[in-house]
Amino acid sequence: AQKITQTQPGMFVQEKEAVTLDCTYDTSDPSYGLFWYKQPSSGEMIFLIYQGSYDQQNATEGRYSLNFQKARKSANLVISASQLGDSAMYFCAMREGGYNFNKFYFGSGTKLNVKP
Amino acid sequence: KAGVTQTPRYLIKTRGQQVTLSCSPISGHRSVSWYQQTPGQGLQFLFEYFSETQRNKGNFPGRFSGRQFSNSRSEMNVSTLELGDSALYLCASSLNRVRDEQYFGPGTRLTVT
Repeated sequence: AQKITQTQPGMFVQEKEAVTLDCTYDTSDPSYGLFWYKQPSSGEMIFLIYQGSYDQQNATEGRYSLNFQKARKSANLVISASQLGDSAMYFCAMREGGYNFNKFYFGSGTKLNVKP
Repeated sequence: KAGVTQTPRYLIKTRGQQVTLSCSPISGHRSVSWYQQTPGQGLQFLFEYFSETQRNKGNFPGRFSGRQFSNSRSEMNVSTLELGDSALYLCASSLNRVRDEQYFGPGTRLTVT
């Protein structure tokens, strides 16, 4: 089974609108971390936001927030007030505890296009 | 604090040759992971080294190998290059807790002709 699933290969959003990028994950480990990364066309991977499995509140970082629904195993990224510079690939990732506690699993990514 | 550095940034090789890529992690990071990124296959995990030991490995053929030195710098080697090895190779380093994100280098873009 896929550890991280991103079902939206591509999305469009109007500038200044909010957008939600979906991510579901699969793990039986009680301790894990969820991450979102942004990859602009330049290729660099930029860390955006982190959510721990034991965190009670949803993570927020500026215009980014993570809608964490543990029971549903989903960790959707919400970008508020989209900007043209938000156009990029977005990857959801998970890091498990346990024996492979340093292994990261990445989803296939969502390409976001922000329209002016 | 200096970020993750990768050398070279661009590389053109011929089928059948071998190549070595280098990665210097952020100071204090003992974990170094390598990824292959292609348009068709996305981000594929190659392997991860921690304290000079390979701790995790992805599903790549034995032509792909790596190592880590005592200063945490890492190299990956691809032997007998194939056209399909053309990709962006990303290196990432991190601390060792579940909550620690990976910091990525700028990547090495390898073209095999």
